[in-house]
Amino acid sequence: EDQVTQSPEALRLQEGESSSLNCSYTVSGLRGLFWYRQDPGKGPEFLFTLYSAGEEKEKERLKATLTKKESFLHITAPKPEDSATYLCAVTSGTYKYIFGTGTRLKVLA
Amino acid sequence: SAVISQKPSRDICQRGTSLTIQCQVDSQVTMMFWYRQQPGQSLTLIATANQGSEATYESGFVIDKFPISRPNLTFSTLTVSNMSPEDSSIYLCSVARTGGDTQYFGPGTRLTVL
Repeated sequence: EDQVTQSPEALRLQEGESSSLNCSYTVSGLRGLFWYRQDPGKGPEFLFTLYSAGEEKEKERLKATLTKKESFLHITAPKPEDSATYLCAVTSGTYKYIFGTGTRLKVLA
Repeated sequence: SAVISQKPSRDICQRGTSLTIQCQVDSQVTMMFWYRQQPGQSLTLIATANQGSEATYESGFVIDKFPISRPNLTFSTLTVSNMSPEDSSIYLCSVARTGGDTQYFGPGTRLTVL
């Protein structure tokens, strides 16, 4: 059964304190892994798509990496505006996304 | 990417009534989806809205409860029928150019059922 597990569930960081969020997955034939940011009361905002092991993508203070079993979202020198829930999803060649339960990130000034 | 709007953005409804949620995209897309996000939970796919044919529902979701229309390639509606407090959730539409590609989400409709 396809499954996505995100850790930690919640993370509190001081401004400038870099860290990583983890997304472990089990899927029969990964077609894509997706990272989204979701602010309270809003729809998920697309961040990255990763297709194959070894791939990396960057956007401002965020960097996503992919291995055959997991993905990391690295946050470098975070700011309070980076506070949000970060969601990971995978798809195995069909339209259906399997979402993790997310990591709630709080960055303190 | 795509610009997606949903109406209404939020609503408070009485038990036993129905609410229709609209999703509009600024360009033609192949795939449109409807998700539910219950309080404190992640996203669960309700159905795929197919243009010109009946929607494809996921396990646990049925057409009588969640009828869906998709009259063209830029618009879809989801109706939540005979509502109960357990239907209180955020309902989200998403779009993709082809199956398996990146999905882009609308802003969501926050539904509260009393």
